[in-house]
Amino acid sequence: GAVVSQHPSWVICKSGTSVKIECRSLDFQATTMFWYRQFPKQSLMLMATSNEGSKATYEQGVEKDKFLINHASLTLSTLTVTSAHPEDSSFYICSARTPGGSSYNEQFFGPGTRLTVL
Amino acid sequence: AQKITQTQPGMFVQEKEAVTLDCTYDTSDPSYGLFWYKQPSSGEMIFLIYQGSYDQQNATEGRYSLNFQKARKSANLVISASQLGDSAMYFCAMREAATGRRALTFGSGTRLQVQP
Repeated sequence: GAVVSQHPSWVICKSGTSVKIECRSLDFQATTMFWYRQFPKQSLMLMATSNEGSKATYEQGVEKDKFLINHASLTLSTLTVTSAHPEDSSFYICSARTPGGSSYNEQFFGPGTRLTVL
Repeated sequence: AQKITQTQPGMFVQEKEAVTLDCTYDTSDPSYGLFWYKQPSSGEMIFLIYQGSYDQQNATEGRYSLNFQKARKSANLVISASQLGDSAMYFCAMREAATGRRALTFGSGTRLQVQP
């Protein structure tokens, strides 16, 4: 299957700082990437859909100004948590969709980034 | 209303036995896909099996099979011959075609523990 990478795999930062998380599709071009957030012992919740070359679509309740998403190329989407606070501590997972077709297995997940805000 | 419901927060199974993880879904879209993912403690999401709403046969992938009962809107995952490495969180997810939304909606998950 296709490979999606995330960097960093974990990050610890002080409250008030900004953190950037990168999501890369390594062997395919992803026109669409998705950002999910997972709190401990909970499910994955979609935060936003990132489309290459256009603005991201955010889910209801997700602050656009706090979670900045940039999908500047067909292989890279970034999520920046601005002015992070302890309540933003979570596991952030991206997934990328392979272009075209109706393949069932067209969405591949990155390994996730664990953010801890002190 | 919950789109995906997993009613078993936790399950135990003896090694080498079979286990069924329940999943029910809610949609009015005639075209949809159902997925099962495994999430070990490392956090990565591992794709296990897929069932399309129009598929006539239940999906199977090695030790994994999906018991798809369309009229009852259930898509239970059956793991045969459980192994210690099967201990993990399991998520059922759905994608609906009509909305054009390509993201997956996940259930709350079931934590499976395989005992020796």
